[in-house]
Amino acid sequence: QSALTQSASVSGSPGQSITISCTGTSTDVGAYDHVSWYQQHPAKAPKLLISGVSTLASGISDRFSGSKSGNTASLTISGLQTEDEAHYYCCAYATSGRQVFGGGTKLTVL
Amino acid sequence: EVQLVESGGGLVQPGGSLRLSCAASGSGFSFYAMSWVRQAPGKGLEAVSGMTNRGQNTYYADSVKGRFTISRDTSMNTLYLEMSSLRAEDTAVYFCAKHRGFLLLFPFDVWGHGTMVTVAS
Repeated sequence: QSALTQSASVSGSPGQSITISCTGTSTDVGAYDHVSWYQQHPAKAPKLLISGVSTLASGISDRFSGSKSGNTASLTISGLQTEDEAHYYCCAYATSGRQVFGGGTKLTVL
Repeated sequence: EVQLVESGGGLVQPGGSLRLSCAASGSGFSFYAMSWVRQAPGKGLEAVSGMTNRGQNTYYADSVKGRFTISRDTSMNTLYLEMSSLRAEDTAVYFCAKHRGFLLLFPFDVWGHGTMVTVAS
């Protein structure tokens, strides 16, 4: 039940685009299209951004988009804004019957 | 929409026990799968335990299997997590999270604010 692999940090300037990758295995990310992404600001609860690989959650800006290829899922944020600075977590439903999270990526908006 | 409020966290000695509660307000608690997700200080998220809407299926992370028990009382709209044989590594903020549907494969669409559990002597 290892965590999915995400890069520890990524940065970008306002207006730019960044992509966060999430690598798993054939028993989690690659098994189903049940991949979701969460945003977490400091001392706050996580917030659902994307489910089903690429479906935006209610009220989420279309600057956020998701995709998947094989065992790797990706979150792209376009037109970076300062309020996007946060931690981002991927999550996949695994064949073991539970949700597995990535280690998290800290996004810094320079 | 369902709102979630956790309680029951606190300081406990290693080997001790604690029961967390998650009170749900709003309609439909009995329709949704529910989980506990924890976050150790400065660390990432870990799905600890979850239960389908009628309790048919549950899961536990390997790290808590045999020590934690999840349950729900539909009449009280409350989710519980009984924790025993607590270890220092169980120290974390524990979030209650609602799945979007009745199965555990659905994403977490509503989260509580979390309750802190500290295991220390």
